[in-house]
Amino acid sequence: DAKTTQPPSMDCAEGRAANLPCNHSTISGNEYVYWYRQIHSQGPQYIIHGLKNNETNEMASLIITEDRKSSTLILPHATLRDTAVYYCIVRVPLNYGGSQGNLIFGKGTKLSVKP
Amino acid sequence: DAGVIQSPRHEVTEMGQEVTLRCKPISGHNSLFWYRQTMMRGLELLIYFNNNVPIDDSGMPEDRFSAKMPNASFSTLKIQPSEPRDSAVYFCASSLLGSGANVLTFGAGSRLTVL
Repeated sequence: DAKTTQPPSMDCAEGRAANLPCNHSTISGNEYVYWYRQIHSQGPQYIIHGLKNNETNEMASLIITEDRKSSTLILPHATLRDTAVYYCIVRVPLNYGGSQGNLIFGKGTKLSVKP
Repeated sequence: DAGVIQSPRHEVTEMGQEVTLRCKPISGHNSLFWYRQTMMRGLELLIYFNNNVPIDDSGMPEDRFSAKMPNASFSTLKIQPSEPRDSAVYFCASSLLGSGANVLTFGAGSRLTVL
């Protein structure tokens, strides 16, 4: 699996957009980018994923550069409840080329949303 | 759906005792994962199952750890004998193999303290 690099921590003002970067310069053509987050004392929670097109859902937007070597997770209007550790993971999806579906978590970015 | 259900939520035991953690995956999911989280090592994948069959247990620390999945709706992670260094939060997650998205749903975790 491709390695990802994320800043260890970031701050964001409540109500502003939070932009969390992730570098994955060794990503291969069949690997997707996934984002999860972990709020304190809870299990990780899936946010969004994508291959090469930008994606948006009710939680966030995912912007992937054209060369796919980096991506940005955007929380458009951060709230205090978005304070969490955000994990960027690149992985071949289930059933592709023998992948068995496990996700390997790095250290993530600790996002602190401040009032 | 109640999500992934783990028990117990908290366990305090003494060194040398046997510990059994339990997990009920989401109904219909056919992949199950056990992770361990500590401050020092972050989230580590211990073992995962596809269709009740263990696929990769290379993350299991040593022979004191064992995991079973007797049916599609139940899994256990057992530590015998337990040691203080096993103190951690243990997460169970489930997923639907073949769904294409590789989305894991995590339980709330079992916090283990070994004295």
